[in-house]
Amino acid sequence: LAKTTQPISMDSYEGQEVNITCSHNNIATNDYITWYQQFPSQGPRFIIQGYKTKVTNEVASLFIPADRKSSTLSLPRVSLSDTAVYYCLVGDPYITGGGNKLTFGTGTQLKVEL
Amino acid sequence: DTGVSQDPRHKITKRGQNVTFRCDPISEHNRLYWYRQTLGQGPEFLTYFQNEAQLEKSRLLSDRFSAERPKGSFSTLEIQRTEQGDSAMYLCASSLSISGGAADTQYFGPGTRLTVL
Repeated sequence: LAKTTQPISMDSYEGQEVNITCSHNNIATNDYITWYQQFPSQGPRFIIQGYKTKVTNEVASLFIPADRKSSTLSLPRVSLSDTAVYYCLVGDPYITGGGNKLTFGTGTQLKVEL
Repeated sequence: DTGVSQDPRHKITKRGQNVTFRCDPISEHNRLYWYRQTLGQGPEFLTYFQNEAQLEKSRLLSDRFSAERPKGSFSTLEIQRTEQGDSAMYLCASSLSISGGAADTQYFGPGTRLTVL
């Protein structure tokens, strides 16, 4: 079971780059890494997904080292509206290992201030 | 709006009553998931469907919980004889699973907040 570990909380200021790291030491060969963002009283929202190396989209970058035992979500120039909880989720297209792999961890509460 | 919708958004019930929630996924999505989330915790997997087949149910899930997806479209989650410990946000998500593709991108609904008095 690819358990994930993230920092409980992080603080930042507007305009700064924020990097949130997730550890997943038991990641399996077929597993992808997906990051979600959640605001209070809303469902999680997909941010980015990757398998290895670096992935970038219009809102974030995802860095995955060669051993894939960790991943780092990078948010460039954060704003107050990026204050949210961020979750990393590890799993494969066939949900090998069962639905327990779909259980999110406690996530990282990011607080952005002026 | 073509996203995932859930109904009702809020439900208050008395202990011992039965409740049913509905989820309407994104229309072309073949997978549908139910999660439960309590304050300060991440979503906890309950069950998921591929089309109309319920492929897995969490071992932690009480027999009082049942879910259906009769025609592979919308789904219902029923909780019988509710208990105060059932108070939580119930989230539904859907995804399009493509054979040989990357892991699913799940699209979540707004959730149904259940309060059991």
